[in-house]
Amino acid sequence: AQKITQTQPGMFVQEKEAVTLDCTYDTSDPSYGLFWYKQPSSGEMIFLIYQGSYDQQNATEGRYSLNFQKARKSANLVISASQLGDSAMYFCAMSAAFSYKLTFGKGTLLTVNP
Amino acid sequence: GAGVSQSPRYKVAKRGQDVALRCDPISGHVSLFWYQQALGQGPEFLTYFQNEAQLDKSGLPSDRFFAERPEGSVSTLKIQRTQQEDSAVYLCASSSMRDFPGQRYGGQPQHFGDGTRLSIL
Repeated sequence: AQKITQTQPGMFVQEKEAVTLDCTYDTSDPSYGLFWYKQPSSGEMIFLIYQGSYDQQNATEGRYSLNFQKARKSANLVISASQLGDSAMYFCAMSAAFSYKLTFGKGTLLTVNP
Repeated sequence: GAGVSQSPRYKVAKRGQDVALRCDPISGHVSLFWYQQALGQGPEFLTYFQNEAQLDKSGLPSDRFFAERPEGSVSTLKIQRTQQEDSAVYLCASSSMRDFPGQRYGGQPQHFGDGTRLSIL
């Protein structure tokens, strides 16, 4: 079974600054994928970034990067140059190889202040 | 549109009524998922289809929940004899992965709809 832990219920950041959202995971599977999703108040879940367990380099997608530390079982999301539109809930999720269902954490509510 | 479409956007029902929630996945996506998201929580897996085959329904909370995807495209999640604890947002997602098992390091990204917010009075 997989488990995702997000210990920050809420985070605040000033516009244009960087912010790190924490995620730790637990799994006994040797192969797995880690995902981050953004959920604005409108409710849709927007895929942001993916990291495979055997990927050697940390994933990056524009202003998003994933700080993957396999030994610590952490997959923190870094958002650079925060924008007001980044205010939303952020969910960390994982799926095991040869699986399909996503296991989500409880989320972190990010608020970007002007 | 190009994304996953869910309807209705909001549904209010009285306890004991049956409800049906619709999901229209991204064209060509063979995999379809239903998740339940309680207030203040992350989504929880309900069921998974590959084309018309329901390969996993282990997350369905009771036999009052039923999902189908008869032609491998549109899916319907039906809840019979609704209870107050069924109140939640129901999210549908689709994915382009075609081969299961064997996904690279844990699968492809799933693309979600806006969800149906179900309120049981």
